[in-house]
Amino acid sequence: QQQVKQSPQSLIVQKGGISIINCAYENTAFDYFPWYQQFPGKGPALLIAIRPDVSEKKEGRFTISFNKSAKQFSLHIMDSQPGDSATYFCAASMRGSQGNLIFGKGTKLSVKP
Amino acid sequence: NAGVMQNPRHLVRRRGQEARLRCSPMKGHSHVYWYRQLPEEGLKFMVYLQKENIIDESGMPKERFSAEFPKEGPSILRIQQVVRGDSAAYFCASSSGGSDTEAFFGQGTRLTVV
Repeated sequence: QQQVKQSPQSLIVQKGGISIINCAYENTAFDYFPWYQQFPGKGPALLIAIRPDVSEKKEGRFTISFNKSAKQFSLHIMDSQPGDSATYFCAASMRGSQGNLIFGKGTKLSVKP
Repeated sequence: NAGVMQNPRHLVRRRGQEARLRCSPMKGHSHVYWYRQLPEEGLKFMVYLQKENIIDESGMPKERFSAEFPKEGPSILRIQQVVRGDSAAYFCASSSGGSDTEAFFGQGTRLTVV
Protein backbone atom coordinates (compact mmCIF):
# COMPACT_ATOMS: atom_id res chain seq x y z
CA GLN A 1 0.00 0.00 0.00
CA GLN A 2 1.53 3.23 -1.15
CA GLN A 3 1.07 5.83 1.56
CA VAL A 4 2.26 8.83 -0.45
CA LYS A 5 1.20 9.12 -4.09
CA GLN A 6 3.01 11.59 -6.33
CA SER A 7 2.16 12.88 -9.77
CA PRO A 8 3.10 13.41 -12.50
CA GLN A 9 5.96 10.98 -13.05
CA SER A 10 7.61 13.41 -15.41
CA LEU A 11 7.11 17.04 -16.31
CA ILE A 12 8.44 19.29 -19.04
CA VAL A 13 8.18 23.03 -18.54
CA GLN A 14 9.46 25.97 -20.53
CA LYS A 15 11.91 28.35 -18.90
CA GLY A 16 10.00 30.97 -16.94
CA GLY A 17 6.94 28.76 -16.54
CA ILE A 18 5.39 27.31 -13.39
CA SER A 19 6.11 23.72 -12.42
CA ILE A 20 3.46 22.01 -10.30
CA ILE A 21 3.91 18.64 -8.61
CA ASN A 22 1.19 17.04 -6.54
CA CYS A 23 1.15 14.55 -3.69
CA ALA A 24 -1.60 12.82 -1.76
CA TYR A 25 -1.27 10.94 1.50
CA GLU A 26 -3.42 8.50 3.40
CA ASN A 27 -2.21 8.45 6.99
CA THR A 28 -3.73 11.29 9.03
CA ALA A 29 -1.00 10.81 11.62
CA PHE A 30 1.53 12.40 9.26
CA ASP A 31 2.44 15.87 10.42
CA TYR A 32 5.59 16.79 8.52
CA PHE A 33 5.69 17.14 4.73
CA PRO A 34 9.04 17.92 3.10
CA TRP A 35 10.04 18.17 -0.52
CA TYR A 36 13.43 16.96 -1.65
CA GLN A 37 15.39 17.75 -4.80
CA GLN A 38 17.75 15.17 -6.22
CA PHE A 39 20.25 15.60 -9.04
CA PRO A 40 21.66 12.54 -10.84
CA GLY A 41 24.30 10.78 -8.75
CA LYS A 42 23.59 12.90 -5.70
CA GLY A 43 21.70 12.48 -2.46
CA PRO A 44 18.32 14.14 -1.87
CA ALA A 45 18.52 17.70 -0.59
CA LEU A 46 15.77 19.26 1.49
CA LEU A 47 14.07 22.01 -0.48
CA ILE A 48 11.15 23.15 1.65
CA ALA A 49 8.87 21.59 4.25
CA ILE A 50 5.48 22.30 5.80
CA ARG A 51 3.42 21.23 8.80
CA PRO A 52 -0.38 20.86 8.67
CA ASP A 53 -1.06 23.92 10.80
CA VAL A 54 -0.44 26.19 7.79
CA SER A 55 -1.93 26.08 4.31
CA GLU A 56 0.98 27.59 2.42
CA LYS A 57 4.69 28.17 2.80
CA LYS A 58 6.88 30.13 0.43
CA GLU A 59 10.65 30.23 0.13
CA GLY A 60 11.95 32.17 -2.83
CA ARG A 61 10.57 30.63 -6.02
CA PHE A 62 9.31 27.52 -4.19
CA THR A 63 5.87 27.29 -2.60
CA ILE A 64 4.13 24.43 -0.83
CA SER A 65 0.33 24.44 -0.79
CA PHE A 66 -1.29 22.17 1.78
CA ASN A 67 -4.91 20.99 1.90
CA LYS A 68 -5.45 19.08 5.12
CA SER A 69 -9.06 18.08 4.46
CA ALA A 70 -8.19 16.65 1.05
CA LYS A 71 -4.93 15.14 2.36
CA GLN A 72 -3.03 16.69 -0.50
CA PHE A 73 -0.03 18.95 -0.87
CA SER A 74 1.77 20.38 -3.83
CA LEU A 75 5.01 22.05 -4.83
CA HIS A 76 4.97 25.07 -7.10
CA ILE A 77 8.18 26.29 -8.72
CA MET A 78 7.72 29.78 -10.09
CA ASP A 79 9.85 31.14 -12.94
CA SER A 80 11.30 27.67 -13.57
CA GLN A 81 14.92 27.60 -14.72
CA PRO A 82 16.99 24.95 -16.53
CA GLY A 83 18.99 24.56 -13.33
CA ASP A 84 15.80 23.35 -11.63
CA SER A 85 15.87 20.24 -13.83
CA ALA A 86 16.05 17.40 -11.32
CA THR A 87 13.91 14.73 -9.68
CA TYR A 88 11.62 15.99 -6.94
CA PHE A 89 10.30 13.82 -4.15
CA CYS A 90 7.54 14.58 -1.72
CA ALA A 91 7.61 12.82 1.62
CA ALA A 92 5.73 12.56 4.89
CA SER A 93 6.52 11.53 8.42
CA MET A 94 4.92 11.40 11.83
CA ARG A 95 5.48 13.54 14.87
CA GLY A 96 8.70 12.75 16.68
CA SER A 97 9.99 10.69 13.79
CA GLN A 98 10.97 13.15 11.10
CA GLY A 99 13.82 11.02 9.85
CA ASN A 100 11.52 8.07 9.13
CA LEU A 101 10.19 9.43 5.88
CA ILE A 102 7.68 7.88 3.51
CA PHE A 103 8.62 9.04 0.02
CA GLY A 104 6.61 9.44 -3.14
CA LYS A 105 8.00 7.85 -6.28
CA GLY A 106 9.37 11.10 -7.63
CA THR A 107 8.79 13.52 -10.49
CA LYS A 108 11.45 14.08 -13.10
CA LEU A 109 11.34 17.76 -14.04
CA SER A 110 12.92 19.04 -17.22
CA VAL A 111 12.97 22.79 -17.81
CA LYS A 112 13.57 23.67 -21.45
CA PRO A 113 15.51 26.85 -22.28
CA ASN B 1 30.92 21.72 8.96
CA ALA B 2 31.04 18.58 6.87
CA GLY B 3 27.77 17.04 5.84
CA VAL B 4 26.79 13.40 6.07
CA MET B 5 29.68 11.35 4.74
CA GLN B 6 29.15 7.99 3.10
CA ASN B 7 31.75 5.63 1.78
CA PRO B 8 32.46 4.08 -0.48
CA ARG B 9 30.60 6.02 -3.16
CA HIS B 10 30.59 3.02 -5.45
CA LEU B 11 30.88 -0.62 -4.48
CA VAL B 12 30.96 -3.67 -6.73
CA ARG B 13 30.46 -7.10 -5.21
CA ARG B 14 30.08 -10.56 -6.68
CA ARG B 15 27.05 -12.60 -5.74
CA GLY B 16 27.58 -14.23 -2.37
CA GLN B 17 30.06 -11.66 -1.07
CA GLU B 18 29.48 -9.25 1.77
CA ALA B 19 28.92 -5.53 1.37
CA ARG B 20 29.72 -3.00 4.10
CA LEU B 21 28.45 0.55 3.74
CA ARG B 22 29.61 3.29 6.09
CA CYS B 23 27.94 6.49 7.21
CA SER B 24 29.37 9.26 9.35
CA PRO B 25 26.60 11.63 10.47
CA MET B 26 26.88 15.37 10.55
CA LYS B 27 28.71 16.79 13.54
CA GLY B 28 26.39 16.93 16.52
CA HIS B 29 23.92 14.44 15.05
CA SER B 30 23.24 11.23 16.94
CA HIS B 31 20.34 9.87 14.87
CA VAL B 32 21.01 7.91 11.69
CA TYR B 33 18.59 6.59 9.08
CA TRP B 34 19.31 4.24 6.18
CA TYR B 35 17.30 4.26 2.96
CA ARG B 36 17.44 2.22 -0.22
CA GLN B 37 16.66 3.62 -3.67
CA LEU B 38 16.03 1.36 -6.62
CA PRO B 39 16.36 2.81 -10.15
CA GLU B 40 13.49 5.17 -11.02
CA GLU B 41 12.00 4.72 -7.55
CA GLY B 42 11.66 6.77 -4.41
CA LEU B 43 13.63 6.09 -1.30
CA LYS B 44 12.48 3.32 1.02
CA PHE B 45 13.14 3.53 4.73
CA MET B 46 15.20 0.66 6.11
CA VAL B 47 16.35 1.37 9.66
CA TYR B 48 16.67 4.09 12.27
CA LEU B 49 19.50 4.01 14.80
CA GLN B 50 20.81 6.04 17.66
CA LYS B 51 24.18 5.44 19.27
CA GLU B 52 24.38 1.76 20.19
CA ASN B 53 20.63 1.27 19.69
CA ILE B 54 18.35 0.18 16.87
CA ILE B 55 15.18 2.22 17.24
CA ASP B 56 13.15 1.09 14.23
CA GLU B 57 14.12 -1.65 11.79
CA SER B 58 10.70 -2.12 10.26
CA GLY B 59 12.04 -1.57 6.73
CA MET B 60 14.94 -4.00 6.94
CA PRO B 61 14.73 -7.30 5.07
CA LYS B 62 14.52 -10.12 7.59
CA GLU B 63 17.59 -11.92 6.33
CA ARG B 64 21.12 -10.94 5.28
CA PHE B 65 20.80 -7.26 6.27
CA SER B 66 22.00 -5.75 9.53
CA ALA B 67 22.91 -2.30 10.80
CA GLU B 68 24.80 -0.87 13.71
CA PHE B 69 25.81 2.52 15.08
CA PRO B 70 28.54 1.96 17.66
CA LYS B 71 29.53 4.36 20.39
CA GLU B 72 32.61 5.28 18.40
CA GLY B 73 32.85 5.36 14.63
CA PRO B 74 30.44 5.40 11.74
CA SER B 75 27.17 3.60 11.27
CA ILE B 76 27.52 0.42 9.22
CA LEU B 77 24.95 -1.20 6.96
CA ARG B 78 26.00 -4.77 6.28
CA ILE B 79 24.59 -6.99 3.56
CA GLN B 80 25.67 -10.61 3.65
CA GLN B 81 25.65 -12.98 0.68
CA VAL B 82 24.61 -10.27 -1.75
CA VAL B 83 22.29 -11.05 -4.65
CA ARG B 84 21.64 -9.12 -7.87
CA GLY B 85 18.44 -7.68 -6.40
CA ASP B 86 20.49 -5.86 -3.76
CA SER B 87 21.91 -3.58 -6.46
CA ALA B 88 20.68 -0.12 -5.53
CA ALA B 89 21.73 3.22 -4.11
CA TYR B 90 21.87 3.23 -0.33
CA PHE B 91 21.49 6.57 1.39
CA CYS B 92 22.15 7.52 4.94
CA ALA B 93 20.56 10.53 6.66
CA SER B 94 21.26 12.06 10.03
CA SER B 95 19.49 14.39 12.40
CA SER B 96 20.05 15.82 15.83
CA GLY B 97 16.82 14.22 17.05
CA GLY B 98 13.90 15.90 18.71
CA SER B 99 10.48 16.62 17.32
CA ASP B 100 11.40 19.54 15.11
CA THR B 101 14.63 18.53 13.45
CA GLU B 102 15.38 17.86 9.82
CA ALA B 103 17.17 14.90 8.30
CA PHE B 104 20.12 15.59 6.00
CA PHE B 105 21.17 13.01 3.42
CA GLY B 106 24.57 11.86 2.31
CA GLN B 107 25.63 11.32 -1.31
CA GLY B 108 24.86 7.64 -1.17
CA THR B 109 26.67 4.39 -1.92
CA ARG B 110 25.86 2.78 -5.23
CA LEU B 111 26.07 -0.97 -4.85
CA THR B 112 26.35 -3.12 -7.94
CA VAL B 113 26.18 -6.88 -7.60
CA VAL B 114 27.66 -8.78 -10.53
